[in-house]
Amino acid sequence: AQRVTQPEKLLSVFKGAPVELKCNYSYSGSPELFWYVQYSRQRLQLLLRHISRESIKGFTADLNKGETSFHLKKPFAQEEDSAMYYCALSGTAAGNMLTFGGGTRLMVKP
Amino acid sequence: ETGVTQTPRHLVMGMTNKKSLKCEQHLGHNAMYWYKQSAKKPLELMFVYSLEERVENNSVPSRFSPECPNSSHLFLHLHTLQPEDSALYLCASSHDGRAGELFFGEGSRLTVL
Repeated sequence: AQRVTQPEKLLSVFKGAPVELKCNYSYSGSPELFWYVQYSRQRLQLLLRHISRESIKGFTADLNKGETSFHLKKPFAQEEDSAMYYCALSGTAAGNMLTFGGGTRLMVKP
Repeated sequence: ETGVTQTPRHLVMGMTNKKSLKCEQHLGHNAMYWYKQSAKKPLELMFVYSLEERVENNSVPSRFSPECPNSSHLFLHLHTLQPEDSALYLCASSHDGRAGELFFGEGSRLTVL
């Protein structure tokens, strides 16, 4: 069975501080990992995916298969980064269906 | 209108009522999903329709009944719900085979009295 764990329900940082949102997964095959974000009063939307190896809004995430992690990082947090962040996994063993973690609320204080 | 649209945005119903949630997508996708988002649980996949055929239901109680008449429309029919069914119900769509890249609607907030 595939599982995604986000150990922190809430992460609070000051503006300009580095941010790391943790995500760990369990999956027996080769997964695809994603980060989704939900800003206040907006719909849930895809932020980035590991296969793209891209930086979106200053965020990056590296898949570490040894540690089964896919942490989301940003060197300097901005107030507009405040949102709910969800890590998600897709794998062929489950028909490519997406499994979400419980989410982490990021609060960036001025 | 573009994207994924859900109606109604808010719904309050009694346990004996019958109601339906509607979802419409204008993205040309051929897979549609219902997710349940409640306060104390991660997003739960309820149903998946790919090319208008149901491919996943994850043992959802029969008081939830999905319907997908075509690739652009998805319904969730509700009857004899329980208070614990109160949650935000999210519809999403994707290109078939790219289930990791979902486009979500804003959700229908359901309250069961």
